[in-house]
Amino acid sequence: DAGVIQSPRHEVTEMGQEVTLRCKPISGHNSLFWYRQTMMRGLELLIYFNNNVPIDDSGMPEDRFSAKMPNASFSTLKIQPSEPRDSAVYFCASRGAGQATNEKLFFGSGTQLSVL
Amino acid sequence: GESVGLHLPTLSVQEGDNSIINCAYSNSASDYFIWYKQESGKGPQFIIDIRSNMDKRQGQRVTVLLNKTVKHLSLQIAATQPGDSAVYFCAENKPNSGYALNFGKGTSLLVTP
Repeated sequence: DAGVIQSPRHEVTEMGQEVTLRCKPISGHNSLFWYRQTMMRGLELLIYFNNNVPIDDSGMPEDRFSAKMPNASFSTLKIQPSEPRDSAVYFCASRGAGQATNEKLFFGSGTQLSVL
Repeated sequence: GESVGLHLPTLSVQEGDNSIINCAYSNSASDYFIWYKQESGKGPQFIIDIRSNMDKRQGQRVTVLLNKTVKHLSLQIAATQPGDSAVYFCAENKPNSGYALNFGKGTSLLVTP
């Protein structure tokens, strides 16, 4: 299995530009999570989906952030417009349908976002 | 507030020694705990987990201990190796949010020769 695949690995953009991060979960997994990691705040949950439906988006910082999961094998996290304080590593994680609801997540390698 | 936190931000141990990384949690409703290892430039990698109906669980060279009385979790690594150098995170299931994991800030483990 290829694991959770995220793209791009690195993104450098200018303030005000739109940024789209992509994630392909592990095949057969039915839950998908977006986390943001910074030195100051650690790993923060932004949003998660179950069977392609957003369940909890209380961690999304503001309306500039949006996430979609059009099908079981693809999700996007979009920031529009981006700001320097959005600079962080963004991780996608997935969890299998056969697991209990409180079992381990499998993480991708992350997208390092720098907003100048 | 309810949070997961770590006692030591950095830990330095000599190769071959045992390591103990500690974690405190404040939510008594949490019923599942997990440790992840994160190497530089990579995503968190699962190490070991434990449910609240247990107080100890062992894996290969790793042991997790759970003390619900004092809301404390620890990760023990036996015979620490240079490859164990990484940041270690504890996490708990996040109540009232469909069991999404809530992570602590992490402890950096440095293994010296």
